[in-house]
Amino acid sequence: SQTIHQWPATLVQPVGSPLSLECTVEGTSNPNLYWYRQAAGRGLQLLFYSVGIGQISSEVPQNLSASRPQDRQFILSSKKLLLSDSGFYLCAWSVFLTDTQYFGPGTRLTVL
Amino acid sequence: GENVEQHPSTLSVQEGDSAVIKCTYSDSASNYFPWYKQELGKRPQLIIDIRSNVGEKKDQRIAVTLNKTAKHFSLHITETQPEDSAVYFCASRTDSNYQLIWGAGTKLIIKP
Repeated sequence: SQTIHQWPATLVQPVGSPLSLECTVEGTSNPNLYWYRQAAGRGLQLLFYSVGIGQISSEVPQNLSASRPQDRQFILSSKKLLLSDSGFYLCAWSVFLTDTQYFGPGTRLTVL
Repeated sequence: GENVEQHPSTLSVQEGDSAVIKCTYSDSASNYFPWYKQELGKRPQLIIDIRSNVGEKKDQRIAVTLNKTAKHFSLHITETQPEDSAVYFCASRTDSNYQLIWGAGTKLIIKP
């Protein structure tokens, strides 16, 4: 069966510091991968999606970037965090773009 | 643009009673409608989904109904239990656009 991992689970970072969040999927090949952000008490905002290695599409302009160095690895980065970057970051995967999306356990980021 | 409206934002029901959450979508080409449950601090988890060629789908105490003419779909939970307390999100998608369009969420509170 497929499993999706995210780390770290929680992170507290100062404003202006860099960020790197990692997501990996096991048990499937060539998954579609997604990064979402959820602000406290709010809905889900799609940030990036990827259909393959090195292929990244951005949905929201911001100071975040994403990379996919390996088939089942998806990384979310920032060079300088803003207070507004605080939130719950969720990675998700699907077999096809039009297929069901399954979420990872999430990373709770607090920027102080 | 495309959007999904979800009501109510908060729903409080007595344990054992039924709960109904309704979503209305704007794109008539939408053909996939998932429902996710998110417990506090946890990842969203798919609980049921329906495609546009089906009017109703049931899974034990949970059911989803779809009215394509009126462009709305609803989640029905019968015999509610304390563990049903969570935030529920609906979403919709078309085949031409991979992106899920999310509702704002409904906080379901089950009163003992």
